Amino acid sequence: EAGVAQSPRYKIIEKRQSVAFWCNPISGHATLYWYQQILGQGPKLLIQFQNNGVVDDSQLPKDRFSAERLKGVDSTLKIQPAKLEDSAVYLCASSRLGQGLEQYFGPGTRLTVT
Amino acid sequence: AQTVTQSQPEMSVQEAETVTLSCTYDTSESDYYLFWYKQPPSRQMILVIRQEAYKQQNATENRFSVNFQKAAKSFSLKISDSQLGDAAMYFCACPRIGNTPLVFGKGTRLSVIA
Repeated sequence: EAGVAQSPRYKIIEKRQSVAFWCNPISGHATLYWYQQILGQGPKLLIQFQNNGVVDDSQLPKDRFSAERLKGVDSTLKIQPAKLEDSAVYLCASSRLGQGLEQYFGPGTRLTVT
Repeated sequence: AQTVTQSQPEMSVQEAETVTLSCTYDTSESDYYLFWYKQPPSRQMILVIRQEAYKQQNATENRFSVNFQKAAKSFSLKISDSQLGDAAMYFCACPRIGNTPLVFGKGTRLSVIA
């Protein structure tokens, strides 16, 4: 089966600009996650979707970050306006519905904010 | 708050030897799963091994096994017969809330010496 797809792979923007990332999960996976991975750290959950509903967005900086998953398939994560500290790799993952299931990760988008 | 601690930022092992990566965690869940994920230099995270907390038997996947000590909240990963392809960042993860979103440790960078 095809893996989790993400685009773009790399993005360089200036602070205060906006940026959007796209994720296409594995077909049939109801749950989709966005993680932020700052250099030298483990991934940190930003938001979790189940189908097209938000399950957990408690760690999403809602003043600048937004995410949506229309029709319960693809998802978009947006940052507006970007700050220097947003420089990180943004990982998308998906899993089937249920507890303790493997999360399948995409290749990530490396964002550099200058 | 759920926390995951990986106390070894870097480890190295000779090819064909055995290495153990340590992890301690804290969770308020009574029944949960624990995970080790591998992130090679290409950055795509993949699942290495998973442990169900209510199972006393330690999980094993080929050359990878865990030493799970529930009372001590310890979950170490043992890699036997290390191979060059095992070189990567290894992340320990435990559930956040509801047993699905994950909290990751900071990772251990494993080098394999030929």
